[in-house]
Amino acid sequence: DTAVSQTPKYLVTQMGNDKSIKCEQNLGHDTMYWYKQDSKKFLKIMFSYNNKELIINETVPNRFSPKSPDKAHLNLHINSLELGDSAVYFCASSQDGARAGYGYTFGSGTRLTVV
Amino acid sequence: GDSVTQMEGPVTLSEEAFLTINCTYTATGYPSLFWYVQYPGEGLQLLLKATKADDKGSNKGFEATYRKETTSFHLEKGSVQVSDSAVYFCALTRDDKIIFGKGTRLHILP
Repeated sequence: DTAVSQTPKYLVTQMGNDKSIKCEQNLGHDTMYWYKQDSKKFLKIMFSYNNKELIINETVPNRFSPKSPDKAHLNLHINSLELGDSAVYFCASSQDGARAGYGYTFGSGTRLTVV
Repeated sequence: GDSVTQMEGPVTLSEEAFLTINCTYTATGYPSLFWYVQYPGEGLQLLLKATKADDKGSNKGFEATYRKETTSFHLEKGSVQVSDSAVYFCALTRDDKIIFGKGTRLHILP
């Protein structure tokens, strides 16, 4: 059983389209995250949810909207896609948030290509 | 603000060589420190961690010691294998999130 699963693994779409990426974790963790990894491998946090409540919202364009229907799921919806949105998006989860020092469990990533 | 600085890569070594990847951090308080590894086409995996000064994290032959006096958490392995080729990320906790360094790509030649 995959601990943190993301779908789709690859997503190619045209500029201006709207797309969603889904994430599910079966670890019973209470905190979930979205990170963006650019072409140089730099990882930047976008959002974090704890028990369905938004706790971190970094300076991300409001075209990006996370949604957490329950604590096992965190989806990412992107409106009006732009070329600069091309990246690998990683979902992650942790128990008790990053403060507890347990670290994250990551999904395998969604490679988004905007053409 | 809090940050992590790690040596730029790529680092290229021969199999069985000794590995050091340097990592230093800037932080207020006492963050937890981590090393993550990313194999090609995969997500990041937690390699090891340390939660307080002088702790040593170890896993799969890798180790790193939390040095508060030098604000460092260098990753070491005594004898690398081709299968260790990957990108390695040093990271720290700040509030409710983990901040990552820029990653160091490691190539091991047979």
